[in-house]
Amino acid sequence: QVQLQQSGPGLVKPSQTLSLTCAISGDSVSSSSAAWNWIRQSPSRGLEWLGRTYYRSKWYNDYAASVKSRITINPDTSKNQFSLQLNSVTPEDTAVYFCARGGTGARDWGQGTLVTVSS
Amino acid sequence: EIVLTQSPDTLSLSPGDRATLSCRASQSVTGGFLAWYQQTPGQAPRLLIYAASSRASGVPDRFSASGSGTDFTLTISRLEPEDFAVYYCQQYDNSPGWTFGQGTKVEIK
Repeated sequence: QVQLQQSGPGLVKPSQTLSLTCAISGDSVSSSSAAWNWIRQSPSRGLEWLGRTYYRSKWYNDYAASVKSRITINPDTSKNQFSLQLNSVTPEDTAVYFCARGGTGARDWGQGTLVTVSS
Repeated sequence: EIVLTQSPDTLSLSPGDRATLSCRASQSVTGGFLAWYQQTPGQAPRLLIYAASSRASGVPDRFSASGSGTDFTLTISRLEPEDFAVYYCQQYDNSPGWTFGQGTKVEIK
């Protein structure tokens, strides 16, 4: 049973960096059969995939074109977790952020974190 | 990027009714890498169907799905009270990443 536990602040000021972490239990961030994803959801954008990190003999990252210039997703093998950093946020980045394990579809999701971008 | 368009936006039905939800892709979803999710308020999406027609573990058999290429369908044979929710389709082809439909809300008539 894979469990994903998200942590991070719920309020970020405009132009600053949004940082969230997703701790994994029941699997390894270095698994060769999984990818570790960040998704966000807002009324205006719906469900939007942001990016992923995965290990296939070496580490890979893929990012959505809409955020590619501002996003970094990093694995942390020592803590078995992965993180999201989104730079230069604006109110448009206000959303519920989810982490999810990808394979054949996404069976396992974090609990979601509402992040509000406001001064 | 593959765009997924779901129809209808809202489906108003009664418990015991049959629900048929559609998902159309802007280009062929290779390998049948299409999934369906159920989401209730305040919760993360729950995987119902993967690979276009395979039920995820623990999903009741009143949920079924079919389709290939650009046209996919999710059917709920007899709606239970807990089935009133929002349903999303998703393509998870490897490149360039996931995309989701805008959702279909199944509401009580």
